[in-house]
Amino acid sequence: DGGITQSPKYLFRKEGQNVTLSCEQNLNHDAMYWYRQDPGQGLRLIYYSQIVNDFQKGDIAEGYSVSREKKESFPLTVTSAQKNPTAFYLCASSPGTSGITGELFFGEGSRLTVL
Amino acid sequence: AQSVTQLDSQVPVFEEAPVELRCNYSSSVSVYLFWYVQYPNQGLQLLLKYLSGSTLVESINGFEAEFNKSQTSFHLRKPSVHISDTAEYFCAVSAGVAGGTSYGKLTFGQGTILTVHP
Repeated sequence: DGGITQSPKYLFRKEGQNVTLSCEQNLNHDAMYWYRQDPGQGLRLIYYSQIVNDFQKGDIAEGYSVSREKKESFPLTVTSAQKNPTAFYLCASSPGTSGITGELFFGEGSRLTVL
Repeated sequence: AQSVTQLDSQVPVFEEAPVELRCNYSSSVSVYLFWYVQYPNQGLQLLLKYLSGSTLVESINGFEAEFNKSQTSFHLRKPSVHISDTAEYFCAVSAGVAGGTSYGKLTFGQGTILTVHP
């Protein structure tokens, strides 16, 4: 079955440590996205990538970094510069130029807790 | 720029009662509209979408939403809810301009937590 796989599902980190969240898709989608979800705040866009080797900052990119070396993969690193990293992180993809509606397909999410 | 307002943060309802989750949007261009559902500790799943054509769209599990352009609304309704409908619901909008810079960047509302009580 095609889909988006995020790992790990739960992650604990000590303050000052970087952590990388994995996102892999086998939908052959061009575009991939990272959102952060906090209670009562909806979803906020961190980074997105419409093609391999290119990505753009979203609304809350500070303290995060990404790479897009392969079409299928879009890992997110939460750096020690992110002041409040405890949150639920969602990866999503969309068909890109072949589908112009903006509809997103989501992974199951990764919950990061900083101790 | 587009924005989405979900008017209720929480909606409690008894099983088999009707429910309406309200969503209003603002945009200077034509839009595509979506409702997503999220169960606890899971990702978002598409519930239904309006792209064009009939303004009333339906999901396979009994939800429906109506696009009202004059009121800039896309309210979600279900005539009789079940315990299993308990979840958080997100309304989202994307600008319907092919190749535009806002392409693919859905704007989400704050979410409405629907709690169905027995």
